[in-house]
Amino acid sequence: DTAVSQTPKYLVTQMGNDKSIKCEQNLGHDTMYWYKQDSKKFLKIMFSYNNKELIINETVPNRFSPKSPDKAHLNLHINSLELGDSAVYFCASSQEFGNQPQHFGDGTRLSIL
Amino acid sequence: GESVGLHLPTLSVQEGDNSIINCAYSNSASDYFIWYKQESGKGPQFIIDIRSNMDKRQGQRVTVLLNKTVKHLSLQIAATQPGDSAVYFCAEIPNSGYSTLTFGKGTMLLVSP
Repeated sequence: DTAVSQTPKYLVTQMGNDKSIKCEQNLGHDTMYWYKQDSKKFLKIMFSYNNKELIINETVPNRFSPKSPDKAHLNLHINSLELGDSAVYFCASSQEFGNQPQHFGDGTRLSIL
Repeated sequence: GESVGLHLPTLSVQEGDNSIINCAYSNSASDYFIWYKQESGKGPQFIIDIRSNMDKRQGQRVTVLLNKTVKHLSLQIAATQPGDSAVYFCAEIPNSGYSTLTFGKGTMLLVSP
């Protein structure tokens, strides 16, 4: 009974392709997030959704498009993948937005060839 | 596994020692802080949090200290065990409407048996 689950765990693809990463949480949380972790382990927020509504977009290229079909899901679609997109992408959720602990999935390691 | 040349600050301790991991934060308006533990191949795992109206909070084997005067946060782990080996991140949320977690750079803790 994983709380925040992401698929796939690994994604290897070529430059220029389009790919999606899925995320689901079974915690009943209202808020979900996408983070990017680079090769130096630095974690940076990309997007935040609250009750299926986008509330934070941290200057991420518009090749990245999050979609939240319902409160329990936040998927990330990436168009025209570039070498610099190689990273580990983490989904997270919290009960509400703001001063709340965030619970993370185990990440999707994206490698661009 | 870890990337070659990751060069995270590293704290090496012996099993049974007490460990102290430090974090300097930059935003004096931050009023919520979290410590996360990240094991290899996993997502960040919540350890303990503290709000700015407190200067100390204790959990099981862990204590977080907050010094707002010098914008310093520390995580103390008592009787460190090999299973505590991981990268530890501090994160902060500023007190301003819609805000998200800003993560510090991370410290690698290595515990020798």
